[in-house]
Amino acid sequence: EVQLAESGGGLVQPGGSLRLSCAASGFTFSTCWLHWVRQAPGKGLIWVSGINNDGTTTIYEDSLKGRITISRDNAKNTLYLQMNSLRAEDTAVYYCVRDINSFDVWGQGTMVTVST
Amino acid sequence: QAGLTQPPSVSKDLRQTATLTCIGNNNNVGDQGAAWLQQHQGHRPKLLSSRDNNRPSGISERFSASRSGSTASLTITGLQPEDEADYYCSAWDSSLSAWVFGGGTKLTVL
Repeated sequence: EVQLAESGGGLVQPGGSLRLSCAASGFTFSTCWLHWVRQAPGKGLIWVSGINNDGTTTIYEDSLKGRITISRDNAKNTLYLQMNSLRAEDTAVYYCVRDINSFDVWGQGTMVTVST
Repeated sequence: QAGLTQPPSVSKDLRQTATLTCIGNNNNVGDQGAAWLQQHQGHRPKLLSSRDNNRPSGISERFSASRSGSTASLTITGLQPEDEADYYCSAWDSSLSAWVFGGGTKLTVL
């Protein structure tokens, strides 16, 4: 069964950092693009970042550039999102998403809360 | 982030047909099409139709996607109570070099 499992979310103070992880199983991890998509409470989906199959190409939502870094470890079948200088508006569920002809598999999400 | 335009809400009667729209431009929907996702309250999104209008395995034939110019549409026939959900479109925007989503449409089945 194809699965994505996010972890690393939690409560962090404004200005703090978090690293999210996404463990993949059930498919050949090294052959596809992966993305992070977030959803603030009661709001819609926002694409955050994407990375190609071997990690040589990364793309970011414009307003988040400079504060986030996406990476992957194909040996560990794991995707990462490093987030720095966190703000209240970064509070959201963060989903890890596989992209084989569209966003075809989603993890259950991990909640990030930025608050004092 | 510039996004795609979807009506915030649509209401239809049980067993009727609903058509949801997603308006983009020549740099996104008009270029490579749009995918459609369904999200029930409290659950993760699920892909209903890929950018080339194909349904993933296990998705009902009641869901069909199409595109005319820069407008993508998702048609749901024979509406069922379980179709009540939020529906999102997404597309690659070549001018932004970024993926964009619509704001979502909340479908109510009366």
